[in-house]
Amino acid sequence: NAGVTQTPKFQVLKTGQSMTLQCAQDMNHNSMYWYRQDPGMGLRLIYYSASEGTTDKGEVPNGYNVSRLNKREFSLRLESAAPSQTSVYFCASILWGGDTGELFFGEGSRLTVL
Amino acid sequence: GESVGLHLPTLSVQEGDNSIINCAYSNSASDYFIWYKQESGKGPQFIIDIRSNMDKRQGQRVTVLLNKTVKHLSLQIAATQPGDSAVYFCAENGGYEKLTFGTGTRLTIIP
Repeated sequence: NAGVTQTPKFQVLKTGQSMTLQCAQDMNHNSMYWYRQDPGMGLRLIYYSASEGTTDKGEVPNGYNVSRLNKREFSLRLESAAPSQTSVYFCASILWGGDTGELFFGEGSRLTVL
Repeated sequence: GESVGLHLPTLSVQEGDNSIINCAYSNSASDYFIWYKQESGKGPQFIIDIRSNMDKRQGQRVTVLLNKTVKHLSLQIAATQPGDSAVYFCAENGGYEKLTFGTGTRLTIIP
């Protein structure tokens, strides 16, 4: 049982390049999330998917797109990377209506945009 | 939660003392709250949660208090230990499973 798996763990991009962060969970969770965390700062919600087939904007969606490919997978795409998108990105999932309501996090993806 | 984008407030506590970490939330419709602990270089870890129909919940060495009247949440850690040093975040479900985090507080335990 791997929990939440994110790839890649590290990535360096040049301004204007595109990339996709992949996230998969094997816990049959219904909701998935992408957050970014800047150094010394809190977690900010980029996009989330409350259930398979739906996606919604979070607090800081500009510059990002997401795809909920199926119940397991939720990807985050940067179409044209900017230095302001240098951050650590966390994917998370949760089973709403379960016993604990615990949000499970991936290990994070550290992205640097030059 | 508290305004995002602000740098972390800090709290220093003597080892063995109790710690109280506070969190203000803005959405009166939020019905579920969670506290997370994040150690350096790691992802957040679940500590304890509370639903809006409760005002107190206890776990192992931790207690969460919810005051809906003033939209305030607190995490109390009893008999703090060096391993409690971390950043602590509160999160709220503002509806439709939109889970947002507060600014966070950096807790430092003084030996």
